[in-house]
Amino acid sequence: EAQVTQNPRYLITVTGKKLTVTCSQNMNHEYMSWYRQDPGLGLRQIYYSMNVEVTDKGDVPEGYKVSRKEKRNFPLILESPSPNQTSLYFCASRKQGGDEQYFGPGTRLTVT
Amino acid sequence: GDSVTQMEGPVTLSEEAFLTINCTYTATGYPSLFWYVQYPGEGLQLLLKATKADDKGSNKGFEATYRKETTSFHLEKGSVQVSDSAVYFCALVPGGSARQLTFGSGTQLTVLP
Repeated sequence: EAQVTQNPRYLITVTGKKLTVTCSQNMNHEYMSWYRQDPGLGLRQIYYSMNVEVTDKGDVPEGYKVSRKEKRNFPLILESPSPNQTSLYFCASRKQGGDEQYFGPGTRLTVT
Repeated sequence: GDSVTQMEGPVTLSEEAFLTINCTYTATGYPSLFWYVQYPGEGLQLLLKATKADDKGSNKGFEATYRKETTSFHLEKGSVQVSDSAVYFCALVPGGSARQLTFGSGTQLTVLP
């Protein structure tokens, strides 16, 4: 089954404790991205990657890091999480030149 | 820059009522337009899309027409069901090579039996 998976689905952590949210897709898509969803703001792009070893900032990259060492994986790293990063995070992928993005199920992060 | 504005929710309707969710956009060139739906506890799914002016996207009884003259892409359904309760997002991808998806703020729809 074609899908985007994220782990964990739920995470509660404390300020300053480094964490990683994993994202993996099995569709051989070149393009992957991370979004955060906040009430009244829709989805805002954090980082995206056009292919392996090619990443770029989205609209709200501050406080986040990403890497793309393999085509299927695109982890999101929070080196020192803060309460304003409490949000619902989505990973997405699409094929190069395509329009439709495929979304993972989301990761609800709470930083206390 | 590119932006999408959609009507604020929440929207509450009775089953079999007519639905319209307004969406307007600002973009240079000729964007592709999308409606995504997010059911409770799930990620977003593509509902329908239109890639050029006057195109009509349709799926599951929902329709939206790409109106370049009014820069709009309003979502409609003639008779909603309880199972249509979800958050609906209007989005665009600009023309050209960048192809970054820009979302509206989302509209929560609740359909009551």
